[in-house]
Amino acid sequence: AQSVTQLGSHVSVSEGALVLLRCNYSSSVPPYLFWYVQYPNQGLQLLLKYTSAATLVKGINGFEAEFKKSETSFHLTKPSAHMSDAAEYFCAVSVTDSWGKLQFGAGTQVVVTP
Amino acid sequence: GAGVSQSPRYKVAKRGQDVALRCDPISGHVSLFWYQQALGQGPEFLTYFQNEAQLDKSGLPSDRFFAERPEGSVSTLKIQRTQQEDSAVYLCASSFTGVNEQFFGPGTRLTVL
Repeated sequence: AQSVTQLGSHVSVSEGALVLLRCNYSSSVPPYLFWYVQYPNQGLQLLLKYTSAATLVKGINGFEAEFKKSETSFHLTKPSAHMSDAAEYFCAVSVTDSWGKLQFGAGTQVVVTP
Repeated sequence: GAGVSQSPRYKVAKRGQDVALRCDPISGHVSLFWYQQALGQGPEFLTYFQNEAQLDKSGLPSDRFFAERPEGSVSTLKIQRTQQEDSAVYLCASSFTGVNEQFFGPGTRLTVL
């Protein structure tokens, strides 16, 4: 079985500051890992995904994440926050024998202050 | 349309009523997923279709929940005798195949009074 833990349900960052969202996973087999963003009243949008290729993954809107097997982590970062980054972010895991179904963390709400 | 659409966007039901939620996936997408997102939580898997075949329904919370995709395109999630704990946003996602990127619809927010 696999699971995802997101540390911090709410994160507040200043505009221009580093965004760091933490995600740890557990999986008995090599996982696929994802970060999704959800804006109010909208569906989830894929930011980036790890599928066992490069451990540093670059996504849309300047986000990137690094897969660290030894730490079972997949933290999401962005060097400089923008007001438009205010949203909820979800880390998710799937495994190769599960039809691609996603198991999500509880989410982290990001607030960006001027 | 270019994306996944869901209808209705909002549904209010009295406890005990039956509801039907519709999902129109992206044309040509083989895989279709339903997720339930309770307030303040991440989405939780409900069921998976590959074309018209329902291959995984392990996430359906009770036998009051039923999903179908009879022609391998549009899918309907039906909830019978709704309860207050069914209040949530129901998300539909489709992908070309199961392991490819899932594209999510905007969801249907169900409120059971």
